Amino acid sequence: QQQVKQSPQSLIVQKGGISIINCAYENTAFDYFPWYQQFPGKGPALLIAIRPDVSEKKEGRFTISFNKSAKQFSLHIMDSQPGDSATYFCAAKAGGFKTIFGAGTRLFVKA
Amino acid sequence: DTGVSQDPRHKITKRGQNVTFRCDPISEHNRLYWYRQTLGQGPEFLTYFQNEAQLEKSRLLSDRFSAERPKGSFSTLEIQRTEQGDSAMYLCASSLIRDIHTDTQYFGPGTRLTVL
Repeated sequence: QQQVKQSPQSLIVQKGGISIINCAYENTAFDYFPWYQQFPGKGPALLIAIRPDVSEKKEGRFTISFNKSAKQFSLHIMDSQPGDSATYFCAAKAGGFKTIFGAGTRLFVKA
Repeated sequence: DTGVSQDPRHKITKRGQNVTFRCDPISEHNRLYWYRQTLGQGPEFLTYFQNEAQLEKSRLLSDRFSAERPKGSFSTLEIQRTEQGDSAMYLCASSLIRDIHTDTQYFGPGTRLTVL
């Protein structure tokens, strides 16, 4: 029940295309859903986050879509660029408890 | 640089040896987290501190692992009698908790441990 399942494991997108990464969860107590971006040799960095009281949040080219009834949320990267090539992690947190991370998606954007 | 720093960045040790890692969080951040990350996986929670109090420990944290955060500033993670299965990236993160429902964690670059 504590898991966050992320797909796909890897993704190749053409420059200018849309990258879509999906996550699903079971624990309905989760109330904070961040996405992290990690480059090789670096720690993860917060990209964007959403609370379950909204269905969508957009920051620049990055959008989170949230479906509370389906217990799913996704990250959309519009106009994907080679500089977006990285590993992306979804995560979920419930109240004062620990953050649970997905297994990650390796994104490669072809120039 | 006012980000989270970790030392050392790389550590190679022989099985059975003890190792200690240090994390310096962002100044004034009251929460500090330790995670372990293996290749192709997301960070796995190990433990966290609120100020100097250790509030939660994962079941992954065997009795060979111990963490401290004296005076609520830097933290150390010690692994005793290292095993090859301890080889991983050890990540530290810090945050300033104002609302328990959001938690923007800032990660350090990690310490990569290799146990031979």
